[in-house]
Amino acid sequence: EAGVAQSPRYKIIEKRQSVAFWCNPISGHATLYWYQQILGQGPKLLIQFQNNGVVDDSQLPKDRFSAERLKGVDSTLKIQPAKLEDSAVYLCASSPRAETQYFGPGTRLLVL
Amino acid sequence: DAKTTQPPSMDCAEGRAANLPCNHSTISGNEYVYWYRQIHSQGPQYIIHGLKNNETNEMASLIITEDRKSSTLILPHATLRDTAVYYCIVRGQQTGANNLFFGTGTRLTVIP
Repeated sequence: EAGVAQSPRYKIIEKRQSVAFWCNPISGHATLYWYQQILGQGPKLLIQFQNNGVVDDSQLPKDRFSAERLKGVDSTLKIQPAKLEDSAVYLCASSPRAETQYFGPGTRLLVL
Repeated sequence: DAKTTQPPSMDCAEGRAANLPCNHSTISGNEYVYWYRQIHSQGPQYIIHGLKNNETNEMASLIITEDRKSSTLILPHATLRDTAVYYCIVRGQQTGANNLFFGTGTRLTVIP
């Protein structure tokens, strides 16, 4: 079974630029999550989708972050404009429903 | 979701059992104990979970005390590839918002 796919794996941008990350969950998984992991900390949830609807986006900084999951499969997370403190690893995870979450390898973002 | 307390770091000799403790004294009756690990530069990986009975799978064993206020993850024969940060998480199994609250975990180093 293929795992959660994410791209790109690494991204370096200047502050105030825009960036987008892509996630393809495990086939058939209805729930998709985006987490942010700052160096030295555990992952923190940004947003959770159930199919193509948002379940929880309470921790998403909506003034600069946006996410969508069109057609209930792939998802994109965008940051516009980026700040220095957005430097982190962005992890995507999926699960069948309210069950075990399976994580992708993450996208490492560096904002200069 | 209940909070967990884990030691920040532990060492274990290769081939020996690694016993990772976790305190979760405020766990409620319908909350499960989950363990994930994160190997350097990878996404978190699910290990095991349980409610009140001890659990075992091909990766590890989970021992939960009778009062459910603490648990221990056991890796029976640690290898160098088990070097990682191990996260103990408690959460309910309800549908809807069911994100994982990661703390800082225990950094396990397996020594040759």
